[in-house]
Amino acid sequence: EVVLTQSPGTLSLSPGERATLSCRASQGVSSSYLAWYQQKAGQAPRLLIYGASSRATGIPDRFSGRGSGTDFTLTISGLEPEDFAVYYCQHYGNFMSTFGPGTKVEIK
Amino acid sequence: QVQLQESGPGLVKPSETLSLTCTVSGGSISSYYWDWIRQPPGGGLEWIASFYYTGITNYNSTLKSRVIISVDTSTNQFSLNLSSVTAADTAVYYCAREYSYSSLDLWGQGTMVTVSS
Repeated sequence: EVVLTQSPGTLSLSPGERATLSCRASQGVSSSYLAWYQQKAGQAPRLLIYGASSRATGIPDRFSGRGSGTDFTLTISGLEPEDFAVYYCQHYGNFMSTFGPGTKVEIK
Repeated sequence: QVQLQESGPGLVKPSETLSLTCTVSGGSISSYYWDWIRQPPGGGLEWIASFYYTGITNYNSTLKSRVIISVDTSTNQFSLNLSSVTAADTAVYYCAREYSYSSLDLWGQGTMVTVSS
């Protein structure tokens, strides 16, 4: 079973700053099956990125994803007030999905 | 516009079975894979299971022995049954639609289930 680790646990930044979030897999995985989600308090998660680097419908281009093998990154190029939230990575493989523990992006 | 809505009891007694239904509106349940995910209070996301209307089902290995997924294509609904619940099963339960490469592009609003006597 693939285990996903996300770092940092919490990221304290100011609006306008660049956020870089990491997702590391315990073994090499197909980038096709790596996704990122945003979750705000009291809301369901929202798909941001699928296939490691493809933005979902309606997602602003300040969100970008990259990576391969065991290391994946979500970048928010300039934080907007609505971007402060928790971000999860997810992998599907061997007929099951796993989520990382999440990174909280908070206002500094 | 496709929408998902979870429904079911908000309180379940320990050792009993948790039963939830997800209703798909605005689209056919026969066109995608569908998933159940849960999130304990203050915790992260845990994938429970996924299924296709033909009966293909995949389970989280840690929950497999307690989970049954069923589907009713006539009502566009699918259900989750989780048996022998304990306090550790207290969570918000979400249903979701699988999109490209098993990413989850559409989610219900979630329903909170508390396990307590």
